[in-house]
Order: sequence, then structure tokens, then C-alpha cells
Amino acid sequence: NAGVTQTPKFQVLKTGQSMTLQCAQDMNHEYMSWYRQDPGMGLRLIHYSVGAGITDQGEVPNGYNVSRSTTEDFPLRLLSAAPSQTSVYFCASSGRAVDTQYFGPGTRLTVL
Amino acid sequence: AQSVAQPEDQVNVAEGNPLTVKCTYSVSGNPYLFWYVQYPNRGLQFLLKYITGDNLVKGSYGFEAEFNKSQTSFHLKKPSALVSDSALYFCAVSSNSGGYQKVTFGTGTKLQVIP
Repeated sequence: NAGVTQTPKFQVLKTGQSMTLQCAQDMNHEYMSWYRQDPGMGLRLIHYSVGAGITDQGEVPNGYNVSRSTTEDFPLRLLSAAPSQTSVYFCASSGRAVDTQYFGPGTRLTVL
Repeated sequence: AQSVAQPEDQVNVAEGNPLTVKCTYSVSGNPYLFWYVQYPNRGLQFLLKYITGDNLVKGSYGFEAEFNKSQTSFHLKKPSALVSDSALYFCAVSSNSGGYQKVTFGTGTKLQVIP
């Protein structure tokens, strides 16, 4: 039982490049979410999903896309990276939004 | 819109002394309240949660939290702090008010336990 996995652990991009952050969970959780963590800002919700095929925006969705084709996977796409997207990104899953969330180890992204 | 406030960026406490990390919230409907802890370069780990029932919730590592509906607070407490408790603590809220339910986190409080 791996829990929530995220790849890559570290990534450096140039402004304008695109990439996908991967997130997978093996707990059959319906609810998955992406957060970014910045100093002094806490965790801010980017996008979330309440089940396969259903996604919605969080607090800071601009510049990011998501899709949920399977229960297990919830990738986060950066369309055209900007320095303001330099952050640590966490994926989390739970049975429902009101349940305990399980977090992945995070991806540290630097955009030059 | 729901929100969480953690008014202290940092809390310093001597080892062996009691500690409190403060959290207040605003939400429509009944609140679901959580505390998570983050150690350096790690993801968040669950400590405890309040859904319903007894206002005093006990969690992992000797931590507890008290739900106060009238003050909309959910402060984290521990009777005797350990140096190993030094970490970043996050309060979070969700609700059952309908629609797609989101979880909102506070900005975090850094706990420093001084030997």
C-alpha cells in the first residue's frame, strides 16, 4: 500500500514551458486535490475532484489544468510556466472532503 | 466562503510546558475541523479531527483540541511539550453545507519547543 505518490520530487522549468505533475493513490479514494504551499501563505487549493470525471476550481486555479479519467490518478498540468508558479505542490486524497486527507511527499518546482 | 485563521506565525514554548496553537474558523453549516502537522521537507500528516460529539478531541502524539462553537475556535493543545513536537501546524475546515465540499487550510503556525 503506497498511499499517495507524486512525481517528480524536484523540477526546474524555464518560463513558458509546460509540464505535468503526476499524482496517484491506491486507497480507492473519491476525493483528490492539489495544493500549493508558499511561505506565509499556508496551503492554497488549486483544483479538486470529487470523483472520476468531476473536477472543480479551488482558490488559485489560473495557469493550471486538471482532469480525472480514473479514480487513481489526478495529474496537474502547468500550461505555460511562470516564475509565480515556483512553489511546493502537494497532492492529497480522502474518501470524502470531510474525511482525513492523506498527502503525498510533494513536488518542489522552480520556474526560472 | 469558509476561512481559517491562525493568528500566530510562530509559538515558542519551553520543553515540558503546556502548549497551545490557536485556530478560529468561519463556515456555513456544521464544521468539520482538522489539525495537521508538517515536519521539514515532508508532506502533511493528520493529527486529529472534530466531526461531532465531545468537544474535546484527542489525537496522535498526546495532542488534543477543544471545539468551541460560540467562539468558532479549535485550539490545539498538549499538556507537556517535547522538542520533537517542533514543526509546522495547520488547522483546516470543511463543512457539510452542500455542493462540492472543499477543505480550507490556515496559513500555519511554526511551533518551536526550546530545550
